[in-house]
Amino acid sequence: NAGVMQNPRHLVRRRGQEARLRCSPMKGHSHVYWYRQLPEEGLKFMVYLQKENIIDESGMPKERFSAEFPKEGPSILRIQQVVRGDSAAYFCASSREGRSTDTQYFGPGTRLTVL
Amino acid sequence: QKEVEQNSGPLSVPEGAIASLNCTYSDRGSQSFFWYRQYSGKSPELIMSIYSNGDKEDGRFTAQLNKASQYVSLLIRDSQPSDSATYLCAVIKAAGNKLTFGGGTRVLVKP
Repeated sequence: NAGVMQNPRHLVRRRGQEARLRCSPMKGHSHVYWYRQLPEEGLKFMVYLQKENIIDESGMPKERFSAEFPKEGPSILRIQQVVRGDSAAYFCASSREGRSTDTQYFGPGTRLTVL
Repeated sequence: QKEVEQNSGPLSVPEGAIASLNCTYSDRGSQSFFWYRQYSGKSPELIMSIYSNGDKEDGRFTAQLNKASQYVSLLIRDSQPSDSATYLCAVIKAAGNKLTFGGGTRVLVKP
Protein backbone atom coordinates (compact mmCIF):
# COMPACT_ATOMS: atom_id res chain seq x y z
CA ASN A 1 0.00 0.00 0.00
CA ALA A 2 1.97 2.96 -1.29
CA GLY A 3 2.00 6.02 0.86
CA VAL A 4 2.14 9.61 -0.28
CA MET A 5 4.68 9.97 -3.06
CA GLN A 6 6.62 13.08 -3.86
CA ASN A 7 9.14 13.77 -6.57
CA PRO A 8 11.74 14.82 -7.02
CA ARG A 9 13.17 14.18 -3.56
CA HIS A 10 15.90 16.76 -4.13
CA LEU A 11 15.76 19.67 -6.54
CA VAL A 12 18.45 22.23 -7.26
CA ARG A 13 17.58 25.41 -9.12
CA ARG A 14 19.39 28.62 -9.89
CA ARG A 15 17.84 31.94 -9.01
CA GLY A 16 15.19 32.91 -11.53
CA GLN A 17 14.39 29.35 -12.66
CA GLU A 18 11.11 27.53 -12.11
CA ALA A 19 10.60 24.68 -9.67
CA ARG A 20 7.86 22.06 -10.08
CA LEU A 21 7.13 19.75 -7.17
CA ARG A 22 4.83 16.76 -7.58
CA CYS A 23 2.68 14.91 -5.09
CA SER A 24 0.62 11.77 -5.53
CA PRO A 25 -1.72 11.17 -2.58
CA MET A 26 -2.30 7.83 -0.92
CA LYS A 27 -4.69 5.51 -2.71
CA GLY A 28 -8.26 6.48 -1.89
CA HIS A 29 -7.31 9.97 -0.73
CA SER A 30 -8.70 12.96 -2.57
CA HIS A 31 -7.50 15.77 -0.29
CA VAL A 32 -3.99 17.18 -0.64
CA TYR A 33 -2.14 19.68 1.54
CA TRP A 34 1.20 21.37 0.97
CA TYR A 35 3.43 22.50 3.84
CA ARG A 36 6.81 24.21 3.83
CA GLN A 37 9.57 23.82 6.39
CA LEU A 38 12.22 26.51 6.20
CA PRO A 39 15.64 25.76 7.73
CA GLU A 40 15.44 25.85 11.52
CA GLU A 41 11.75 26.75 11.38
CA GLY A 42 8.51 24.91 11.91
CA LEU A 43 6.14 23.48 9.35
CA LYS A 44 3.83 26.05 7.79
CA PHE A 45 0.64 25.36 5.89
CA MET A 46 0.57 26.60 2.32
CA VAL A 47 -2.46 25.29 0.44
CA TYR A 48 -5.25 22.70 0.56
CA LEU A 49 -6.67 21.20 -2.62
CA GLN A 50 -9.22 18.70 -3.73
CA LYS A 51 -9.44 17.39 -7.26
CA GLU A 52 -9.62 20.40 -9.61
CA ASN A 53 -10.31 22.81 -6.72
CA ILE A 54 -8.23 25.00 -4.44
CA ILE A 55 -10.04 24.99 -1.10
CA ASP A 56 -7.71 27.08 1.08
CA GLU A 57 -4.66 28.97 -0.13
CA SER A 58 -4.29 31.23 2.88
CA GLY A 59 -0.68 30.16 3.43
CA MET A 60 0.54 30.67 -0.10
CA PRO A 61 2.85 33.61 -0.84
CA LYS A 62 0.99 36.10 -3.01
CA GLU A 63 3.45 36.00 -5.86
CA ARG A 64 5.36 33.31 -7.77
CA PHE A 65 3.66 30.34 -6.07
CA SER A 66 0.77 28.35 -7.49
CA ALA A 67 -0.73 24.92 -6.95
CA GLU A 68 -3.05 22.62 -8.80
CA PHE A 69 -4.58 19.18 -8.41
CA PRO A 70 -5.94 18.15 -11.82
CA LYS A 71 -8.58 15.53 -12.41
CA GLU A 72 -5.87 13.16 -13.63
CA GLY A 73 -2.35 13.09 -12.33
CA PRO A 74 -0.49 14.38 -9.30
CA SER A 75 -0.83 17.65 -7.47
CA ILE A 76 1.79 20.18 -8.51
CA LEU A 77 3.30 23.03 -6.53
CA ARG A 78 4.92 25.48 -8.88
CA ILE A 79 7.39 28.18 -7.88
CA GLN A 80 8.32 30.68 -10.55
CA GLN A 81 11.50 32.75 -10.56
CA VAL A 82 12.89 31.08 -7.46
CA VAL A 83 14.94 33.05 -4.94
CA ARG A 84 17.34 31.81 -2.27
CA GLY A 85 14.67 32.29 0.38
CA ASP A 86 12.61 29.55 -1.30
CA SER A 87 15.18 26.95 -0.23
CA ALA A 88 13.25 24.66 2.09
CA ALA A 89 11.69 21.25 2.48
CA TYR A 90 8.27 21.06 0.87
CA PHE A 91 5.97 18.37 2.24
CA CYS A 92 2.76 17.13 0.78
CA ALA A 93 0.15 15.40 2.92
CA SER A 94 -3.08 13.69 2.00
CA SER A 95 -6.25 12.64 3.78
CA ARG A 96 -9.19 10.48 2.78
CA GLU A 97 -11.75 13.15 3.53
CA GLY A 98 -11.53 16.77 4.52
CA ARG A 99 -12.77 16.48 8.09
CA SER A 100 -10.80 17.99 10.94
CA THR A 101 -10.51 14.55 12.53
CA ASP A 102 -8.93 12.97 9.46
CA THR A 103 -5.29 12.05 9.75
CA GLN A 104 -3.00 13.77 7.30
CA TYR A 105 -0.26 11.45 6.08
CA PHE A 106 2.93 13.08 4.93
CA GLY A 107 5.10 12.27 1.96
CA PRO A 108 8.90 12.15 2.12
CA GLY A 109 9.23 15.76 0.99
CA THR A 110 11.09 17.59 -1.72
CA ARG A 111 14.17 19.45 -0.62
CA LEU A 112 14.61 22.50 -2.78
CA THR A 113 17.97 24.24 -2.93
CA VAL A 114 18.25 27.54 -4.76
CA LEU A 115 21.76 28.50 -5.74
CA GLN B 1 1.77 35.00 21.00
CA LYS B 2 2.35 32.00 18.77
CA GLU B 3 -0.70 29.95 17.86
CA VAL B 4 0.93 26.71 19.05
CA GLU B 5 3.81 26.81 21.47
CA GLN B 6 6.29 24.17 22.51
CA ASN B 7 9.51 24.22 24.43
CA SER B 8 12.24 23.77 21.81
CA GLY B 9 14.42 21.64 24.10
CA PRO B 10 16.51 19.63 23.84
CA LEU B 11 14.79 17.46 26.39
CA SER B 12 17.37 14.99 27.56
CA VAL B 13 16.11 11.80 29.23
CA PRO B 14 17.91 8.61 30.23
CA GLU B 15 16.94 5.39 28.52
CA GLY B 16 13.97 3.78 30.26
CA ALA B 17 12.70 7.02 31.76
CA ILE B 18 9.52 8.96 30.96
CA ALA B 19 9.72 11.88 28.57
CA SER B 20 7.08 14.54 29.08
CA LEU B 21 6.33 17.01 26.30
CA ASN B 22 4.00 19.98 26.57
CA CYS B 23 2.12 22.11 24.08
CA THR B 24 -0.20 25.09 24.48
CA TYR B 25 -2.46 26.62 21.87
CA SER B 26 -4.17 29.98 21.59
CA ASP B 27 -7.40 29.28 19.67
CA ARG B 28 -10.00 28.16 22.21
CA GLY B 29 -12.15 26.75 19.41
CA SER B 30 -9.49 24.25 18.32
CA GLN B 31 -10.93 20.78 18.07
CA SER B 32 -8.33 18.31 16.82
CA PHE B 33 -4.86 17.74 18.20
CA PHE B 34 -2.00 15.69 16.87
CA TRP B 35 1.51 14.67 17.84
CA TYR B 36 3.93 13.97 15.01
CA ARG B 37 7.49 12.66 15.28
CA GLN B 38 10.11 13.92 12.85
CA TYR B 39 13.56 12.43 12.56
CA SER B 40 16.26 14.69 11.17
CA GLY B 41 15.93 14.98 7.40
CA LYS B 42 12.71 12.98 7.32
CA SER B 43 9.02 13.74 7.08
CA PRO B 44 6.59 13.98 10.02
CA GLU B 45 5.04 10.72 11.16
CA LEU B 46 1.81 10.63 13.18
CA ILE B 47 2.20 9.36 16.75
CA MET B 48 -1.13 10.21 18.34
CA SER B 49 -4.34 12.09 17.71
CA ILE B 50 -6.73 13.27 20.42
CA TYR B 51 -10.04 15.08 20.17
CA SER B 52 -11.67 15.08 23.61
CA ASN B 53 -10.53 15.97 27.11
CA GLY B 54 -8.67 13.30 29.02
CA ASP B 55 -6.02 10.73 28.30
CA LYS B 56 -5.47 8.51 25.30
CA GLU B 57 -2.94 5.71 25.42
CA ASP B 58 -1.28 3.84 22.56
CA GLY B 59 1.56 1.55 23.49
CA ARG B 60 4.29 3.56 25.20
CA PHE B 61 2.65 6.87 24.27
CA THR B 62 -0.06 8.75 26.19
CA ALA B 63 -1.61 11.98 24.98
CA GLN B 64 -3.42 14.25 27.43
CA LEU B 65 -5.81 17.03 26.47
CA ASN B 66 -7.19 19.80 28.63
CA LYS B 67 -9.28 22.17 26.55
CA ALA B 68 -10.07 24.47 29.47
CA SER B 69 -6.37 25.12 29.95
CA GLN B 70 -5.67 24.95 26.20
CA TYR B 71 -2.99 22.40 26.86
CA VAL B 72 -2.01 19.11 25.27
CA SER B 73 0.84 16.86 26.34
CA LEU B 74 2.60 13.69 25.27
CA LEU B 75 4.21 11.17 27.59
CA ILE B 76 6.70 8.63 26.29
CA ARG B 77 7.21 5.77 28.72
CA ASP B 78 10.28 3.53 28.76
CA SER B 79 12.09 5.93 26.44
CA GLN B 80 14.42 4.31 23.91
CA PRO B 81 17.32 5.83 21.96
CA SER B 82 15.18 5.37 18.83
CA ASP B 83 12.73 7.88 20.33
CA SER B 84 15.33 10.61 19.84
CA ALA B 85 13.64 12.96 17.40
CA THR B 86 11.74 16.23 17.19
CA TYR B 87 8.14 15.99 18.36
CA LEU B 88 5.67 18.33 16.70
CA CYS B 89 2.40 19.36 18.24
CA ALA B 90 -0.24 20.25 15.65
CA VAL B 91 -3.69 21.71 16.01
CA ILE B 92 -6.70 22.09 13.74
CA LYS B 93 -8.74 25.15 14.56
CA ALA B 94 -12.51 25.32 14.68
CA ALA B 95 -12.91 26.23 11.04
CA GLY B 96 -11.01 24.35 8.39
CA ASN B 97 -8.66 21.43 8.42
CA LYS B 98 -5.18 22.83 8.00
CA LEU B 99 -2.62 21.80 10.57
CA THR B 100 -0.99 24.56 12.61
CA PHE B 101 2.29 23.29 14.02
CA GLY B 102 4.34 24.27 17.02
CA GLY B 103 8.06 24.69 16.63
CA GLY B 104 8.76 21.21 17.94
CA THR B 105 10.55 19.79 20.96
CA ARG B 106 13.80 17.96 20.36
CA VAL B 107 14.12 14.87 22.52
CA LEU B 108 17.41 13.12 23.19
CA VAL B 109 17.31 9.71 24.84
CA LYS B 110 20.70 8.76 26.24
CA PRO B 111 21.66 5.08 26.66
